Amino acid sequence: NAGVTQTPKFRILKIGQSMTLQCAQDMNHNYMYWYRQDPGMGLKLIYYSVGAGITDKGEVPNGYNVSRSTTEDFPLRLELAAPSQTSVYFCASSYQGLTYEQYFGPGTRLTVT
Amino acid sequence: GENVEQHPSTLSVQEGDSAVIKCTYSDSASNYFPWYKQELGKRPQLIIDIRSNVGEKKDQRIAVTLNKTAKHFSLHITETQPEDSAVYFCAARKDMDTGRRALTFGSGTRLQVQP
Repeated sequence: NAGVTQTPKFRILKIGQSMTLQCAQDMNHNYMYWYRQDPGMGLKLIYYSVGAGITDKGEVPNGYNVSRSTTEDFPLRLELAAPSQTSVYFCASSYQGLTYEQYFGPGTRLTVT
Repeated sequence: GENVEQHPSTLSVQEGDSAVIKCTYSDSASNYFPWYKQELGKRPQLIIDIRSNVGEKKDQRIAVTLNKTAKHFSLHITETQPEDSAVYFCAARKDMDTGRRALTFGSGTRLQVQP
């Protein structure tokens, strides 16, 4: 299994541009999450999904959108990028069951200038 | 919502000494408490976790203790080694039959083990 994969690894955006961060998992996990990690800080939840077709906001959803058309994929869309969105973005997934561990992707480092 | 506070923000120890990192949480309904280790430029990796029906859990050199009454939990690393140097995050979650099951993270502790 590849686990949780993310693309791209790095990206520089200009203010006002848009982009989609890709996330995929091959573990048949129901739950998927997007977190952002600002320098020297913990991770904050942006959006999450409990299954295909179901998404909901986390702590810091403003400026982002998500979709979950399949169990495997959970892309994060940034519209009108702002410098405040400069961060490292981690996608994660977990199984709906007694196994609680969240598995993280390798992260996408985004800079908005 | 849940709030998790973590202390200290940095910790420097000599190789072979013990390290203790402490976290407090606000939501008494939280029932799952994992600890993650994040090396520079890498993804967070789960190192140990504890559920609210257990007071202590050990795995070789690492242990986690939980005090539900006081709403705090701690990570203990014994016989520290240079490869233990990393940022450690605590987290809390309220597991229910439905709902998001997302983690609320502390702000992290940068542990440096001096050889």
